[in-house]
Amino acid sequence: AQTVTQSQPEMSVQEAETVTLSCTYDTSESDYYLFWYKQPPSRQMILVIRQEAYKQQNATENRFSVNFQKAAKSFSLKISDSQLGDAAMYFCAYRTMNRDDKIIFGKGTRLHILP
Amino acid sequence: GAVVSQHPSWVICKSGTSVKIECRSLDFQATTMFWYRQFPKQSLMLMATSNEGSKATYEQGVEKDKFLINHASLTLSTLTVTSAHPEDSSFYICSAPPPGLNIQYFGAGTRLSVL
Repeated sequence: AQTVTQSQPEMSVQEAETVTLSCTYDTSESDYYLFWYKQPPSRQMILVIRQEAYKQQNATENRFSVNFQKAAKSFSLKISDSQLGDAAMYFCAYRTMNRDDKIIFGKGTRLHILP
Repeated sequence: GAVVSQHPSWVICKSGTSVKIECRSLDFQATTMFWYRQFPKQSLMLMATSNEGSKATYEQGVEKDKFLINHASLTLSTLTVTSAHPEDSSFYICSAPPPGLNIQYFGAGTRLSVL
């Protein structure tokens, strides 16, 4: 069975600094999708970034980028120029190639932004 | 963009009553929808996969008779918490994958409080 592990329950970063959230996963599949979701205090789940496992290039979305290490089954999220609005729970997630398959979430990392 | 609407956003009910939560895909058809439960400061736990026109697939440990799921149309799935008890108080979130996209859109969630 696939699993997703986030080993950092909480992290803090100074505003405008860079922070990296860690995520590892386990799967026997060779192709799959990985995601980072943000859940602010409103609790609305927001997709931050996604990575297709068959792509070697790391995904980037503005200030958000990932370091995808397929062999190590590692998928970390880097947030550059941290802003107060980045404060939220961040969930790393996995899904198979089947679009109708479930998403498996990690336990989350709560990110605090220090002004 | 594609939107998933969830209603109600907050419901308070008496112990022993039943509560229905609706999840609608507003501008796309969804043959599959997912229902998650989230306890405070925890991750999303998948409860069941809702399949249009057929029975839902429940995750291990989820009581089928307590959490009734109906996916009667391609845009609507409902979760009914039957004979609710205080321990059913939680945050319930639905999601659906839009056609042609390898992502899922999430509803804003429903906070259930059972007195």
